Amino acid sequence: EVQLVESGGGLVQPGRSLRLSCAASGFIFHDYAMYWVRQAPGKGLEWVAGISWDSIGVGYGDSVKGRFTVSRDNAKKSLYLQMDSLRIEDTALYYCAKDLSSGYFGSPGDAFDVWGQGTMVTVS
Amino acid sequence: EIVMTQSPATLSVSPGERATLSCRASQSVNSNLAWYQQKPGQAPRLLIYGAYTRAAGVPARFSGSGSGTEFTLTISSLQSEDFAVYYCQQYNNWPRTFGLGTKVDIK
Repeated sequence: EVQLVESGGGLVQPGRSLRLSCAASGFIFHDYAMYWVRQAPGKGLEWVAGISWDSIGVGYGDSVKGRFTVSRDNAKKSLYLQMDSLRIEDTALYYCAKDLSSGYFGSPGDAFDVWGQGTMVTVS
Repeated sequence: EIVMTQSPATLSVSPGERATLSCRASQSVNSNLAWYQQKPGQAPRLLIYGAYTRAAGVPARFSGSGSGTEFTLTISSLQSEDFAVYYCQQYNNWPRTFGLGTKVDIK
């Protein structure tokens, strides 16, 4: 079964840092671009960051650029999100997601076919 | 950044009726458009990609259409399990962007 499991969320003060992890299983992790998407309480989905299968390509949403860093470890089948200088408005449920097809990144990319259940980050 | 505008914000439909959801992009995204369904307490689920291709396991009552800047998701005959929030997303350009969603609720 294809599965993504996020961890690392919690309560953190403004200005502090937090690192999220996403453990993948059931598919060839190193073949797929991976992404982080967040959802503030009661709000819609916001694309946060993406990384190519080989870590050469990365992209960020405007609201997190310069503060968040996405990375991956293909040997560990894991995706990460380093979040620095956290703000109250970063409070959200953070999902990791994978591309539908292997080998996509850049423009155009691909849809997200598998999502984790999310990890909650509260900045207060 | 490409802005995705969904309408209406809320759609009240009776079971068995047809639902039509719209999504407009601020510039062309070609056919690089996906639709997701999200139920309370659950992660989003991919329904449609490439503007009109159903994802694996998605019932045939869901269909997508459009290209360029105008897109539509149609649910031909609403079932009880279809009441949810639906999001469109473009993946033609960076950053990937989502619409604010359309909530489909029971009339």
